[in-house]
Amino acid sequence: DTGVSQNPRHKITKRGQNVTFRCDPISEHNRLYWYRQTLGQGPEFLTYFQNEAQLEKSRLLSDRFSAERPKGSFSTLEIQRTEQGDSAMYLCASSSWETQYFGPGTRLLVL
Amino acid sequence: GQQLNQSPQSMFIQEGEDVSMNCTSSSIFNTWLWYKQDPGEGPVLLIALYKAGELTSNGRLTAQFGITRKDSFLNISASIPSDVGIYFCAGPTLIQGAQKLVFGQGTRLTINP
Repeated sequence: DTGVSQNPRHKITKRGQNVTFRCDPISEHNRLYWYRQTLGQGPEFLTYFQNEAQLEKSRLLSDRFSAERPKGSFSTLEIQRTEQGDSAMYLCASSSWETQYFGPGTRLLVL
Repeated sequence: GQQLNQSPQSMFIQEGEDVSMNCTSSSIFNTWLWYKQDPGEGPVLLIALYKAGELTSNGRLTAQFGITRKDSFLNISASIPSDVGIYFCAGPTLIQGAQKLVFGQGTRLTINP
């Protein structure tokens, strides 16, 4: 079995650079979620896909952020022109209905 | 928006002690979830509660869904070193065809051997 996987696990970048993260959900799950977690806080919802359709986006997702799930399987989250405030753990989760299973996250540090 | 408040924010206990933490909400939830997060990992679901007043156990963990539907409690009995981590409560809110989770800020548990 493979749970939810995320790559890379860590990313260090300079302010202004673009970064892209990948999430591979559990294979039979049609629902995929992205969350962001800053130090000392719980995860906060960013966006949700059902199959390839992006159905919900949080106001936290500024226009520098874009997420895709082109074939309804893996998903990518891109951040353009990164800012220091983007430093956080980016978590992906998938579900077939209620229970969301989380991946290990990608920790981003923007210098 | 909906907020979940967890207390205490951190706990320092001796191995073998029992632990109790709680979570309160500004609004009603129909489901309460408790997750544990180890350093550098994603949250893992421990217990799900679906009915007001429900008391559910998972090994040494017991959680209760408050009758007002605005709070929940998690108890850990006879703590062991692997219980160390951050415990989050979460409540789902409906979005199109699914649920998004609203999390509390977590309770960090540290155990002295």
